[in-house]
Amino acid sequence: GEDVEQSLFLSVREGDSSVINCTYTDSSSTYLYWYKQEPGAGLQLLTYIFSNMDMKQDQRLTVLLNKKDKHLSLRIADTQTGDSAIYFCAETSRGGYNKLIFGAGTRLAVHP
Amino acid sequence: SQTIHQWPATLVQPVGSPLSLECTVEGTSNPNLYWYRQAAGRGLQLLFYSVGIGQISSEVPQNLSASRPQDRQFILSSKKLLLSDSGFYLCAWMPQGNTEAFFGQGTRLTVV
Repeated sequence: GEDVEQSLFLSVREGDSSVINCTYTDSSSTYLYWYKQEPGAGLQLLTYIFSNMDMKQDQRLTVLLNKKDKHLSLRIADTQTGDSAIYFCAETSRGGYNKLIFGAGTRLAVHP
Repeated sequence: SQTIHQWPATLVQPVGSPLSLECTVEGTSNPNLYWYRQAAGRGLQLLFYSVGIGQISSEVPQNLSASRPQDRQFILSSKKLLLSDSGFYLCAWMPQGNTEAFFGQGTRLTVV
C-alpha cells in the first residue's frame, strides 16, 4: 500500500535554509507534491514534481527527488517567519483515478 | 474560475448526534472529490474519494459515510457521532487528468 513519512518538526533561524524531507513507498507514484498549511486554514499547493524529474526550482523553493530511494525533499532558501507552517508531502498514483496520500506533516518553526 | 465551498467552518455536536458536512465545487465538471480528516497534532488521513456521481471509495473503516448526489457536491455524514470523530475535516477536488488538488477551508468539528 501507499505510505508517506515525514519528520514532524523542524526549527530554523530566520535567513537560514530549511530542508524538509519525505519518504514514500509507492513506486508507481506519478506526481509528488508539497503543500503548506497555515494555522486554521486549508492546504495550499506550493509545488509539485513529476516522477521523471530529479529537481525543480521555483524562486526560493527547490524540490529534489531521488526516485531510487523514494526520497523527496523541499528546500526553502532564506527562510522567513512567514514560512512558519505545516508542510505536507503527498503522492498520487494513477490507477484510473488520482488518490492523494499525505504524510503527517512537518511543522516548521522559524525563529529570529 | 473554479472555487470550492465547504461549510460550516466550525461545528460543536454532542456524542450520538448526526452529522452532515457539505462541499460543493464550482466552475468545473466531473472532478475527483476527496474528504480528509486531520486529527489534532496528526497528519491528513484520506477518508473517502469519488471519481463520479454515486461512486464512493472508502479508505478506512469508521462510522462516517460519504455521498455524491450531484457531480459537484460531496457530503460527509454520520448517523451517530463519537468523541473520536473530532477533528479538522477538509474537502478537496482535483480535475480529471490533472495534477493539482484544491482544498476547502475546512470544518473544525468538536464532538462533546
